[in-house]
Parts: sequence; C-alpha cells; structure tokens
Amino acid sequence: DARVTQTPRHKVTEMGQEVTMRCQPILGHNTVFWYRQTMMQGLELLAYFRNRAPLDDSGMPKDRFSAEMPDATLATLKIQPSEPRDSAVYFCASGPPVGPAMNTEAFFGQGTRLTVV
Amino acid sequence: GEDVEQSLFLSVREGDSSVINCTYTDSSSTYLYWYKQEPGAGLQLLTYIFSNMDMKQDQRLTVLLNKKDKHLSLRIADTQTGDSAIYFCAESPRMDSSYKLIFGSGTRLLVRP
Repeated sequence: DARVTQTPRHKVTEMGQEVTMRCQPILGHNTVFWYRQTMMQGLELLAYFRNRAPLDDSGMPKDRFSAEMPDATLATLKIQPSEPRDSAVYFCASGPPVGPAMNTEAFFGQGTRLTVV
Repeated sequence: GEDVEQSLFLSVREGDSSVINCTYTDSSSTYLYWYKQEPGAGLQLLTYIFSNMDMKQDQRLTVLLNKKDKHLSLRIADTQTGDSAIYFCAESPRMDSSYKLIFGSGTRLLVRP
C-alpha cells in the first residue's frame, strides 16, 4: 500500500525551539511538495523539489525555515526558531515523474499538526 | 501571477446536486484539478481535466471548464452525507520544464440529511 508517510503526526513545542518534520515520499516519486494549511491562509505552497533539487521555495520564510532532501526517501522541513504563528498543519505530498501528458498528480501525507506555544 | 479563488462554504440537502466554483489565473496550466480533504486527513485527488477539454464526467462528478473566463466548476450529482468535506481546486502553472500545484482556499461542503 504505497503512501506518503509524515512524522510526527502531532507536535507541541515551545516558542524558540527547533522543529523538524519528516516525510517519506512514495517509492519512485521524484517530486516532493511541502504545504502549510491554516484557517486564515488556506493551503500555501512552501517549497517543492524535483529529483531532490529545490525548484521553488519562494513561499517559505527564509530566515527560519529550511527544507532539504538528504536522499530520495526522505524530505525534511525544519523551523528554527519556531514561533506561535507557525502553528498549522504541514503537509508533504509526492508526485511521480512528469510524463509526456504532463499530468502533475500529488499524493498527500496525513500531515503534521504543529502547535507552538 | 498565480491565484486560485473559491467560495468558502456550500450547504446542500442530501440528494441534491452540489456545484463548487473556482477561478484561476494562470493560462499556462495544462491540467486543472479537484482534490477532496476529509477531516484529519490529507488531500486526495478526485478528478482532473485537461485544459483543452470543456467537460469531463466521472460517475457522479462533472467538471466544467471555461478557459476563456478561467472558470472551473465541480458538480456532484445526488450528493450524499459522505461527500461532506473540503474541496480544493488547483492549477498547475508550467514553469520551464517543471510544474507545481497551486491550490485555492477550499470550499467546505456540508450535506444536510
């Protein structure tokens, strides 16, 4: 049963602490997206990678957020230092290689619910 | 620019049809998508339409695309209580050889018994 796996599912942390969220994309997928979902802003694209290279991270606050893919089976999103306004659900999604039909389908993980107090 | 807009809320009675509307801005999008999010879960692809099509039907789902007005709609026939969820439309702007998904804010569909 192929699925995107995110850990942890829930995280409560104090302001100023470092938070690391992990994502295991579906095997064979070469595109990884990070999204943040809040009531106020909806679903925002933070960053995305193709073949482990970052293609666009313009949606991510650069001073405190960083996203990496150390290898093809792991993507990480790190916040340092965390702030209460970072409280949200963070979703990782992966997608298969874009074929001639140019269809970009994303398969989502269940998200990490982050609360910064 | 990239911007996808949807109405925030829709309430229908069970058995009626639901129509969820979306407008998008990027005409380079080759495909347009509808995703569904149930409580506590990630988004799941419902259906998609190729940009040179006007309509696509998939069982109870009908997608209509007006490319001139950049307007996309999702019609759910015979809406059931299990259809209650948040529905997101998404565009996929083409940037050189890469693609990304830009989502709307989501429409919360409530189906009343």
